[in-house]
Amino acid sequence: RKEVEQDPGPFNVPEGATVAFNCTYSNSASQSFFWYRQDCRKEPKLLMSVYSSGNEDGRFTAQLNRASQYISLLIRDSKLSDSATYLCVVKAGGYQKVTFGIGTKLQVIP
Amino acid sequence: NAGVTQTPKFQVLKTGQSMTLQCAQDMNHEYMSWYRQDPGMGLRLIHYSVGAGITDQGEVPNGYNVSRSTTEDFPLRLLSAAPSQTSVYFCASSGRDRAYGYTFGSGTRLTVV
Repeated sequence: RKEVEQDPGPFNVPEGATVAFNCTYSNSASQSFFWYRQDCRKEPKLLMSVYSSGNEDGRFTAQLNRASQYISLLIRDSKLSDSATYLCVVKAGGYQKVTFGIGTKLQVIP
Repeated sequence: NAGVTQTPKFQVLKTGQSMTLQCAQDMNHEYMSWYRQDPGMGLRLIHYSVGAGITDQGEVPNGYNVSRSTTEDFPLRLLSAAPSQTSVYFCASSGRDRAYGYTFGSGTRLTVV
């Protein structure tokens, strides 16, 4: 089993739709969780950290479920500009114990 | 504030050639790292450094060397390029507050022929 698993997609959704991505992790000692956004042929950029109580940033909501070992990202009212690949990142301790998922590709269609 | 600067953006090498990918950050971050990104695979850690004079191996270190003589710079050296090293390379840095995650450079697209 991979340390961090994501459905690579692509997820094709119409503008205005709500879409959710899940990411599962295998290391129960994982401590920190993040979602990154990566545009085509660009570097990953931090979208949001994921906190135990869940957190929201505008149209984006992140959730953590430690019991089932997954994190989720919900995007409401999708915009064309949300089209990108979303990477799940899990930290289990030291700096070297960071694992990136392969990313989920989102395509928002007019 | 430039953040993390990587050079070059593109490079083509012949098998057996050597080269250095440059990475510099101006945020006084203690942690710097190099990743490679290949299709269908997540970012994989090559080498990392937790401060000047300290480096260590990541998941895929073979064929690469690093050094950290200053806080700002963390170059990656390819000793003898092989086609398997064709990839996109990203440098990343992080400060003490891990909640802010990593800042990535814009990447180097390397092709080894």
